[in-house]
Amino acid sequence: DSGVTQTPKHLITATGQRVTLRCSPRSGDLSVYWYQQSLDQGLQFLIQYYNGEERAKGNILERFSAQQFPDLHSELNLSSLELGDSALYFCASSVAQGTEAFFGQGTRLTVV
Amino acid sequence: SQQGEEDPQALSIQEGENATMNCSYKTSINNLQWYRQNSGRGLVHLILIRSNEREKHSGRLRVTLDTSKKSSSLLITASRAADTASYFCAVGNFNKFYFGSGTKLNVKP
Repeated sequence: DSGVTQTPKHLITATGQRVTLRCSPRSGDLSVYWYQQSLDQGLQFLIQYYNGEERAKGNILERFSAQQFPDLHSELNLSSLELGDSALYFCASSVAQGTEAFFGQGTRLTVV
Repeated sequence: SQQGEEDPQALSIQEGENATMNCSYKTSINNLQWYRQNSGRGLVHLILIRSNEREKHSGRLRVTLDTSKKSSSLLITASRAADTASYFCAVGNFNKFYFGSGTKLNVKP
């Protein structure tokens, strides 16, 4: 158990819908990262927050957004969902930027 | 791209043998991390090596880093069937890190 908690574990939704994925980082970790893992694109870095502030952006679509709250948990919002958004979404956390990052078990999103 | 690239893509060995996986990257990095992923599950952190380090050990794992060649290797000694998984390197700087496509290791009992 990495100490990073992601909910829900599985999510099935229809095209065009909006979903919110939640991540609770390890106790004491200030940095949160979001990744998308699909079969054809591997693990793609989406976005990183540190102590509530966005610090880095990767290949995140405009339909996706995220935030980190004062209690350090983070949410990834995916809207206008398309079939191609079906993937595993991982959250990771680390004490500080540039240190070991620990991953949650992921949320498996299926868009039908 | 900073993305790490693992080599080989797949590796099949007998239990008890050593497994070596390599990772190459293109730009300067702050650190490099190795992860293991069992099919469809979360990534397990194995080891982090910083750019000023050349070698690190953790149990049966040995990681080397050659910044002049922009490459790293992960050696698993005395492999076990339970080591069967995909192994990824993640190359990073302070606030993001990028994964390669991984090496699928199959350890036959």
